[in-house]
Amino acid sequence: GENVEQHPSTLSVQEGDSAVIKCTYSDSASNYFPWYKQELGKRPQLIIDIRSNVGEKKDQRIAVTLNKTAKHFSLHITETQPEDSAVYFCAASKGNSGYALNFGKGTSLLVTP
Amino acid sequence: GAGVSQSPSNKVTEKGKDVELRCDPISGHTALYWYRQSLGQGLEFLIYFQGNSAPDKSGLPSDRFSAERTGGSVSTLTIQRTQQEDSAVYLCASSYTGANTEAFFGQGTRLTVV
Repeated sequence: GENVEQHPSTLSVQEGDSAVIKCTYSDSASNYFPWYKQELGKRPQLIIDIRSNVGEKKDQRIAVTLNKTAKHFSLHITETQPEDSAVYFCAASKGNSGYALNFGKGTSLLVTP
Repeated sequence: GAGVSQSPSNKVTEKGKDVELRCDPISGHTALYWYRQSLGQGLEFLIYFQGNSAPDKSGLPSDRFSAERTGGSVSTLTIQRTQQEDSAVYLCASSYTGANTEAFFGQGTRLTVV
């Protein structure tokens, strides 16, 4: 099945700095790449996703880039705030009904004031 | 409308006993997933349902684990002869059509095997 690798496992930044989390995937047929945020004690929630027909997508302070040739995608958070502190998970799927959503192991982001 | 609902929220069981965890997905969602999250760890995939069938059950860790879904809605995850290493939060998620649409997670069932 699909194997998703995520780096780094922990990331500490100062408020206002940018944070970048990177993921690689193994199956070239994967075409849907969502990112989920899980705050402490809460359930994961979708923050942004990208499909294989675009290379970049932006939503306010967050953006995701996709390089299909290299099979990697990244989450960029600009002007970080303490409330961005959470665990972030990337995922990949082949996007049709026969395949599940496979997650990376997560990145624990800490934004210090 | 209501989100994904899981029950019980917490379950403490003795080693060797069987447990059943329940997931009520969002109405109309055909895809349903079970994941396991150990303390401070990632989302370990267990099984995926599309309707009542399970096209991907590759993540079930052993034959002690099984799951079913009936009526294209409620799903139950059963763990037989529980072991201490089964202790974790079991998360269920559902999505409208499949793995290329947003997955909504339940609040999880925290299982503790003593």
